[in-house]
Formats: sequence, C-alpha cells, structure tokens
Amino acid sequence: RKEVEQDPGPFNVPEGATVAFNCTYSNSASQSFFWYRQDCRKEPKLLMSVYSSGNEDGRFTAQLNRASQYISLLIRDSKLSDSATYLCVVTNPYNFNKFYFGSGTKLNVKP
Amino acid sequence: DVKVTQSSRYLVKRTGEKVFLECVQDMDHENMFWYRQDPGLGLRLIYFSYDVKMKEKGDIPEGYSVSREKKERFSLILESASTNQTSMYLCASSPNWDTQYFGPGTRLTVL
Repeated sequence: RKEVEQDPGPFNVPEGATVAFNCTYSNSASQSFFWYRQDCRKEPKLLMSVYSSGNEDGRFTAQLNRASQYISLLIRDSKLSDSATYLCVVTNPYNFNKFYFGSGTKLNVKP
Repeated sequence: DVKVTQSSRYLVKRTGEKVFLECVQDMDHENMFWYRQDPGLGLRLIYFSYDVKMKEKGDIPEGYSVSREKKERFSLILESASTNQTSMYLCASSPNWDTQYFGPGTRLTVL
C-alpha cells in the first residue's frame, strides 16, 4: 500500500471557482504534513505546511484529519496562475523523518 | 534565498555509461536528497545524506550510488546506465527534517 495517495485529476475548474483536494496517508504515526506545488517542467516548491489546527494562507486553506488519516487543500477564487500539480507530502518519524510524496493532483483553471 | 543547483538540465547518455549528477546547495543544510520523478509514480527517494560522508538508502537505491565529500555537494552516480533509468532527477536539501528545497532537476535520457 502506498504511503500517500492522491487523486491524479485533472481537476478542470473555471476561474473564480472553489476547488478542494484530499490526500490520504497510511502511517498513523506520520508527523508532519505539507502541500507542495509543482508547475509543468519545474521543481516542486513548498506551498504550505499543514498543522493539526489547520492553517490558512490567503485563498489557500489546509486541514488535517488524523482520525481519518487525510489532509486537504482548499483553494478559493481560483486564478489561472493556480494551474499546477499539487503534491501531498507526509513524513515518517521512525525513518529519519523521511518524506513521502504523493504522485500529485493536477489542477487546470480555465478562463 | 536558498539555492540548489544541479549540474545539467538535460543529459543524454548511452546504455552502460557511468553517469554523474551533481547537486550543490549554498545554505549550509545538513540534509540532502536525491529523487527520481516518473509520470504516475510521483517522487521516489533514491538516497539521502544527513551529514558529510553519511548516506542512507531510500526506497529505490538499486543501480545508484552517492557521494557526499563536502557538506554543500551531493552526487548521484549511475554505475552503468540502463534505459529504465531514463527519468527526471531532482536533488533537494533541508536544514531540518521539515521543508525541502529542490533544484531545477536533470532530465536524463538513456539510449
């Protein structure tokens, strides 16, 4: 079973829409959680960390549900520039806090 | 700003060649990582290093080796390149076991 699973998409949404992605993880001991963004043919970059209490950064909101072992990312008022692949990342504290990446969810925001 | 550089953006090699991929970071980070990224499989960890001369196998180390003689430099070596090693190779560094900073990637084609 994969450590991290994501719906590959693509999610095709119009500008201004609200869109949400979920990501499930298999190791209940996972400690840290992140969303990374990867543009086409570019390297991944940290979008935001995900805290137990949830966190918000402008139009982006991340939530953690430990009981059901998933994290979510909500994007409000989508912009064309939000088009990218969003990678979910969790760490394993029993293995050098190794990072496990999901294979990503592709988002296309259309005019 | 953290900067992670990789020696080549694109590389074409022949089966059986020895291939060196270099990664340099300028922020004195302890931890460095090599991943490969393939469509549908996401990022998979090949090797990582948490100190000079220290290395740990990731999830797919077979066919690869690494070298970390200096803190800022982490090299990935393909001893005898094979066609199934055609991929995007991403180097990352991290100051702790939290955020990772990625280089621009090397797209390797093995003919």
